[in-house]
Amino acid sequence: KAGVTQTPRYLIKTRGQQVTLSCSPISGHRSVSWYQQTPGQGLQFLFEYFSETQRNKGNFPGRFSGRQFSNSRSEMNVSTLELGDSALYLCASSLEGQGGSYEQYFGPGTRLTVT
Amino acid sequence: DQQVKQNSPSLSVQEGRISILNCDYTNSMFDYFLWYKKYPAEGPTFLISISSIKDKNEDGRFTVFLNKSAKHLSLHIVPSQPGDSAVYFCAASPRWNAGNMLTFGGGTRLMVKP
Repeated sequence: KAGVTQTPRYLIKTRGQQVTLSCSPISGHRSVSWYQQTPGQGLQFLFEYFSETQRNKGNFPGRFSGRQFSNSRSEMNVSTLELGDSALYLCASSLEGQGGSYEQYFGPGTRLTVT
Repeated sequence: DQQVKQNSPSLSVQEGRISILNCDYTNSMFDYFLWYKKYPAEGPTFLISISSIKDKNEDGRFTVFLNKSAKHLSLHIVPSQPGDSAVYFCAASPRWNAGNMLTFGGGTRLMVKP
């Protein structure tokens, strides 16, 4: 079974621009979550999508948004980029069970550099 | 406020010996815990998990122990191998939350010396 894939792997953008990152979950997984990893803040939860609906949201400003398509693929968008948005953005997918949490499987991440 | 803490930023162990990685949490709503391993430039890899209804879960060389009263969990790796050298993250999630939202610790870098 193919793992979680993320595109692009590396991205360089200029402050003020916007960026869209893509994630394809493991086949059959309907939950997709996004995380930001930075040296200062560690791994932080951004948001989770399930059945094309945002189900959970972390403590990030409105410049960070996402969506999920009917095939469970997900995109996240960051508008008006700031230098502090430079990070590794990780996508994770999970099976949906009878409530509660299940192990999430991560993609390789997209390394975003804002200059 | 860090809800999940890994107080040891690094740990060095000899090959063949036991590695013990520790994690503490403060949120009493957490009741599902996971350990991930991460190599540079890769996403975290799921290792093992434990639900709060258990105090131990074992999978091959990896065992996770949960002490709910102390809000503490640990990951034991026996025997340690050089390929285990990586950053290990513990993560927690509240069961009441119908979904997936992990809170991660800051990570512990494990170095296994041959």
